[in-house]
Amino acid sequence: DVKVTQSSRYLVKRTGEKVFLECVQDMDHENMFWYRQDPGLGLRLIYFSYDVKMKEKGDIPEGYSVSREKKERFSLILESASTNQTSMYLCASSLYRVYEQYFGPGTRLTVT
Amino acid sequence: TQLLEQSPQFLSIQEGENLTVYCNSSSVFSSLQWYRQEPGEGPVLLVTVVTGGEVKKLKRLTFQFGDARKDSSLHITAAQPGDTGLYLCAGGPPSNTGKLIFGQGTTLQVKP
Repeated sequence: DVKVTQSSRYLVKRTGEKVFLECVQDMDHENMFWYRQDPGLGLRLIYFSYDVKMKEKGDIPEGYSVSREKKERFSLILESASTNQTSMYLCASSLYRVYEQYFGPGTRLTVT
Repeated sequence: TQLLEQSPQFLSIQEGENLTVYCNSSSVFSSLQWYRQEPGEGPVLLVTVVTGGEVKKLKRLTFQFGDARKDSSLHITAAQPGDTGLYLCAGGPPSNTGKLIFGQGTTLQVKP
């Protein structure tokens, strides 16, 4: 079974803090994704990586950056957290050029 | 821009009833996935359909891909409280980038 793990289930941070969200997958998938999920807005893609050190902006990359130094790990960074970044963050992975994605359990981030 | 419209957005039914969720687009997709998400968890892949007209069954759940590969439906027979959750459809564009287009989701509540 594919397993995608996220470093925290719940996180509370203050405005202006630098926040790191970590995601690890154990199935040697080339693709990794970061989404945020908000009521009424569905799943929105923040960043996408198709290989180590390769990344592509998604639909809402502003205020975020990513890092993929190893194939199994994809990090989402909020350089200076703001209250409008309070959300559920979901990481997913998939094989290269395959659409079936496997999701982690999510991190519920609250920025106060 | 490819879009997927899901309907209905919310559905509240009694145990034992049947229901259908629709996922529609004006664009062609090479594949269509259905996911189910429980509160506080990440989406879990239920099924992938790839051929126009394809029908797949998963116990009481029946998934269909439209002949033109622009739409899909999920039918649940004799719904049970355990079916409660958010159902998401997601389409894979023919460009085969690995990125999915997600519908807004259907929140299903099955009352005992």
